[in-house]
Amino acid sequence: QVQLEQSGPEVKKPGASVKVSCKASGYSVSSYSITWVRQAPGQGLEWVGCLGAYNGDTHFAQNVQGRVTMVTDSSTNTAYLDLSSLTSDDTAIYYCARGGAARRLDFWGQGTLVTVSS
Amino acid sequence: DILLTQSPGTLSLSPGERATLSCRASQRVSNYVAWYQQKPGQAPRLLIYDASNRATGIPARFSGSGSGTDFTLTISSLEPEDFAVYYCQQRGNWPHTFGQGTKLEIK
Repeated sequence: QVQLEQSGPEVKKPGASVKVSCKASGYSVSSYSITWVRQAPGQGLEWVGCLGAYNGDTHFAQNVQGRVTMVTDSSTNTAYLDLSSLTSDDTAIYYCARGGAARRLDFWGQGTLVTVSS
Repeated sequence: DILLTQSPGTLSLSPGERATLSCRASQRVSNYVAWYQQKPGQAPRLLIYDASNRATGIPARFSGSGSGTDFTLTISSLEPEDFAVYYCQQRGNWPHTFGQGTKLEIK
């Protein structure tokens, strides 16, 4: 069955970078788009960006543009989100989800809490 | 960016009642709207995709309708496990924005 297993919580200082992983099982991560969504404490869902399958096209939210990288590693069947120049506004639970582009988000990871604090 | 406005913000109903949740888009998005349910401490769960298609394993009491700019999620008869927060999302245009959510609470 399809599962997405995310890496553990992170605590970072302002200005630092964070890398969150999302290991897929039950399907090939290179065959589907991957979308990242975040949720600040007590807030709603915020779309962060999408990495397309096959062509590797990316689309990002304006507030992370220039600070974000999304890649997949076929050898480990894992997707990665890299976010730099962190501020307190980036404190959130980050979710990976299968799909995006032309497809619904049908499977989700359990979430990774990223806390940015001095 | 396309703005999705969900209403009401909070909906208070009793088990067995019918729930109607609305999602309005600031621009036409064809039928590219999905609905997700989120319970405290859990990841969102896909309920409805492309406006009216139930996801795998979703009970028949959940239904979706709409196209263009106005979309509705209906729960025909509320079960205790349905009380949660519901989000709509559009994939008609980048970025694929979410609505702000509707909290469905027990009356």
